[in-house]
Amino acid sequence: DTAVSQTPKYLVTQMGNDKSIKCEQNLGHDTMYWYKQDSKKFLKIMFSYNNKELIINETVPNRFSPKSPDKAHLNLHINSLELGDSAVYFCASSHPATYEQYFGPGTRLTVT
Amino acid sequence: GDSVTQMEGPVTLSEEAFLTINCTYTATGYPSLFWYVQYPGEGLQLLLKATKADDKGSNKGFEATYRKETTSFHLEKGSVQVSDSAVYFCALRDSGGYQKVTFGTGTKLQVIP
Repeated sequence: DTAVSQTPKYLVTQMGNDKSIKCEQNLGHDTMYWYKQDSKKFLKIMFSYNNKELIINETVPNRFSPKSPDKAHLNLHINSLELGDSAVYFCASSHPATYEQYFGPGTRLTVT
Repeated sequence: GDSVTQMEGPVTLSEEAFLTINCTYTATGYPSLFWYVQYPGEGLQLLLKATKADDKGSNKGFEATYRKETTSFHLEKGSVQVSDSAVYFCALRDSGGYQKVTFGTGTKLQVIP
């Protein structure tokens, strides 16, 4: 009964490819996020959805496109992958009253 | 905009030593403040939180007090264990309509036996 799950856990791919990461939460939260964590552990917010509606869209290349088919799922599609996209990507959801964030286990993306 | 500043790591301590990780913030409203912990190979998890001035959050022997006058939320623990080795993130949630959380850069703690 994992709260926030992501697939895959590891993703190794070549430059120029297109890949997707999936995220699901069973906490009943309305708001979900994608974060990127670089090799120095710096965490940067990328997107946030509230009830399937995009509410936060930070300065992210438009090669990254989030999609939320329903409020329990938030997927991330990345086109034309570049070396600099290598990082750990975390999905999270947040409690509507306490604003606590619940993180998934992360997807380590390596672009070669 | 909102920002969080944490002391740079890594911090290396011997077991049973006292821990302080400094965190200061800048926010326009009345933010909620959080400490998250990330163990190796895992996602972040909430360690403790405080929602208003002078609140003290505590969990697993860790404490932090919301100090509005100094805009600080320093993390402390009286006696660290090897199992506390992790990266610690200070964060704030602004008081606006969106649930955006701003994270600090993280401080790596290594506790040696």
